[in-house]
This record gives sequence, structure tokens and C-alpha cells, in this order.
Amino acid sequence: EAGVAQSPRYKIIEKRQSVAFWCNPISGHATLYWYQQILGQGPKLLIQFQNNGVVDDSQLPKDRFSAERLKGVDSTLKIQPAKLEDSAVYLCASRPQGANSPLHFGNGTRLTVT
Amino acid sequence: KQEVTQIPAALSVPEGENLVLNCSFTDSAIYNLQWFRQDPGKGLTSLLLIQSSQREQTSGRLNASLDKSSGRSTLYIAASQPGDSATYLCAVKEAGTASKLTFGTGTRLQVTL
Repeated sequence: EAGVAQSPRYKIIEKRQSVAFWCNPISGHATLYWYQQILGQGPKLLIQFQNNGVVDDSQLPKDRFSAERLKGVDSTLKIQPAKLEDSAVYLCASRPQGANSPLHFGNGTRLTVT
Repeated sequence: KQEVTQIPAALSVPEGENLVLNCSFTDSAIYNLQWFRQDPGKGLTSLLLIQSSQREQTSGRLNASLDKSSGRSTLYIAASQPGDSATYLCAVKEAGTASKLTFGTGTRLQVTL
């Protein structure tokens, strides 16, 4: 099966600019996650979708981050405006139905804010 | 608030050695625990998932154990190979939450020739 697809792979922007990341989960996976992984740290959940509804966005900095999952398939994560501390790898993951089903991760988008 | 700690942060071993990676968590009310592997510049690959009712899971040269009451898990890698070099992360899924995973900071493993 095809894996979780993310684009772009790399992005360099200046602070205060905007950026958007795209994720296409594995076909049929209802649950989609966006994680932020700062260098040397474990991934931190930003937002979780179940189909096209938000399940958990408690750690999403809503003043600058937004995400949507139209039609319950692809998802986009946007940062506007970016700050230096947003430099990180943004990972998308999806999971099929089933409480004990494992997560499948994409290769991530590495964002550098200068 | 659940906190997950992994020790050591980095480990270097010669090829062929058996090794143990440690993961501890503060809240024992977990649903399951997963071990992941992350190669440089890549996403995470799920290695093993242990349900809260289980004590261990095995896959090839990997064996993961779970002691929920003490808040600990170990990942045992037998007969290590250079291809095992990667960062290993554990993550706990908290009971009663909408399947939120809390990750540790990882152990960076290097297996030398």
C-alpha cells in the first residue's frame, strides 16, 4: 500500500512569512494527525482529525497555526505568520480504525525559519 | 500530565551486541505503548505495539516488554547490526483520551562495525 505522502520535503522562509504543508494519508485511514518535531525532541501532537472533524487541537497555537481536512482525506497545515521557534519537522500520520492499530507516518516537511 | 522519558539519550555499541533501551512514563493509565524507529530525515516507523494488558511483544530480533504498574518499558535488540542504527522512540497512548500519543525524546543508537 502507498504510504503517507507529504509535501514539500523542505521549506525555508523568513520570519513573519506564511507557509503551508500538505498531507495525503493512506487510503481508508479515517484518523489523521499533525505532529511537530523540534530537533532533538520527540514529536508533539498539534492536531488530530477523525474524518473531517477535529478531535484534539489543544496544543495547536491557534493564533498562528491552522489546519483543515476537507472531505476527510487530504489535509493542510498552515502557519501565518511564522516565528523562528517554528523551525521543526512537521510530520503527518494516519491510522486505520481500531483502537490498537499503529500509526503510519510520512517523511515529514522540514521547515527552517530565518 | 503524562511525561515519557528515555534513557540513555545516545548509545554506541559494536556489531553483534545485545542491547536494551529504556522508556519510563509517569501515568500508568495507558491504553498501549508503541516503539518506533526514526532514520535521519525520515518519518517514524512503527516497530512494536504492546497493549496495556500484555507483558511483551516480539518481532524478529526485537522484544518489547511492558510493566504498566511501574511505568516502564524496555526494547531489547538481539545481535545488533549496523542497519539498526537509528533513533528509537517510545510513545504511550493514554487511556480515556482521543488516542493521543505522548512521545519520549528518543535514544539515538549507533551500531559500529
